[in-house]
Amino acid sequence: QTVVTQEPSFSVSPGGTVTLTCGLSSGSVSTNYYPSWYQQTPGQAPRTLIYSTSIRSSGVPDRFSGSILGNKAALTITGAQADDESDYYCVLYMGSGISVFGGGTKLTVL
Amino acid sequence: EVQLLESGGGLVQPGGSLRLSCAASGFTFSSYAMSWVRQAPGKGLEWVSAISDSGGSTYYADSVKGRFTISRDNSKNTLYLQMNSLRAEDTAVYYCAKRSATGTTGLRTGIDYWGQGTLVTVSS
Repeated sequence: QTVVTQEPSFSVSPGGTVTLTCGLSSGSVSTNYYPSWYQQTPGQAPRTLIYSTSIRSSGVPDRFSGSILGNKAALTITGAQADDESDYYCVLYMGSGISVFGGGTKLTVL
Repeated sequence: EVQLLESGGGLVQPGGSLRLSCAASGFTFSSYAMSWVRQAPGKGLEWVSAISDSGGSTYYADSVKGRFTISRDNSKNTLYLQMNSLRAEDTAVYYCAKRSATGTTGLRTGIDYWGQGTLVTVSS
């Protein structure tokens, strides 16, 4: 069974830039996997940041961007702010109507 | 404004059943595929199930296949999740989610709106 991989944790300095990645235990991620990215703070529902690789959801600032970097999907946050400290999840479309979440990345801003 | 309001969660014994509902508003419900996503306490998000805009096609994670049934009533703008043979590991907050594109494309392109979730606890 293919597993969607994410860094368990990452840290960034305020004002800095960080790139989180989303890969596959076997194979490469391409736009055909329609990667999407979600932000979640404790006790809250997830918030959509990016879908279909690079489309920003309504109201999401352009500090957040999605792309394919090498063999992985990537979420880049520029000008990191304190309230960007959250859990970030990617999802890949596996075909036949099935989607799979990655394990999530806990981002610390310090 | 898109709104998704889940209901039906609660405490149920192992082996029991529960039906979740999600009342949708603010968009043309019948044009969009929909999904259920869950999150066990202290764990990550898990995709559970999806349904096409017409309701004619349904999809399930292996962990719930054969036990859960997703359905929708487009005349009532409501999504459902019938959960049978519940296990302790099904304990989670269940989120209703709208897909980001119309038609079958939406099954691929990801989620754009989420409900606030409803808690299901399976325990004796």
